[in-house]
Amino acid sequence: DAGITQSPRYKITETGRQVTLMCHQTWSHSYMFWYRQDLGHGLRLIYYSAAADITDKGEVPDGYVVSRSKTENFPLTLESATRSQTSVYFCASSDSRLGNQPQHFGDGTRLSIL
Amino acid sequence: SQQGEEDPQALSIQEGENATMNCSYKTSINNLQWYRQNSGRGLVHLILIRSNEREKHSGRLRVTLDTSKKSSSLLITASRAADTASYFCATDEGTGGFKTIFGAGTRLFVKA
Repeated sequence: DAGITQSPRYKITETGRQVTLMCHQTWSHSYMFWYRQDLGHGLRLIYYSAAADITDKGEVPDGYVVSRSKTENFPLTLESATRSQTSVYFCASSDSRLGNQPQHFGDGTRLSIL
Repeated sequence: SQQGEEDPQALSIQEGENATMNCSYKTSINNLQWYRQNSGRGLVHLILIRSNEREKHSGRLRVTLDTSKKSSSLLITASRAADTASYFCATDEGTGGFKTIFGAGTRLFVKA
């Protein structure tokens, strides 16, 4: 089935550790996005990618690294996790860089950093 | 910073009643979208309305857009318990910029 899959669904780690969240989409959408969702803040864009090997910062990129070697995958890495990065992380994909097309979301990764 | 802000933050109604949620935004837009999020799940796209449209319908959903007031409303008619979810509006930057900006959402609870 076409869709967008995030893994893991839940992750607990300690401060200072490196964590990678995975995102895979089967639609061949050009654009992919990473958001974090925190109470009171809605969704905030961390990074986005317009195509393979093209990425750019969003609203809250500090402490995160992304890569996109293949169109279908867009992993997000926390190089040295901090407690403030405890959040729910959503990956999304879209056919357009403009807001005239919907974004399709995965079911999220709930990340807790102790 | 958030472009869209939903109002109210939370809404509790009885099954069969209508639910109205509002979204206000700050700068000019090209498009506005509404999404639903069930507990523990990702966002699901509901409806997109363009800046030159005033009203749009999809099933029991009715969305209006007033660009002069920089506001939109989402009406769910004859609500069902399954409509219990958070609802978000999302806007783009009117300059053609890339970002789609989400509000903090309205939590709707429909009592059976």
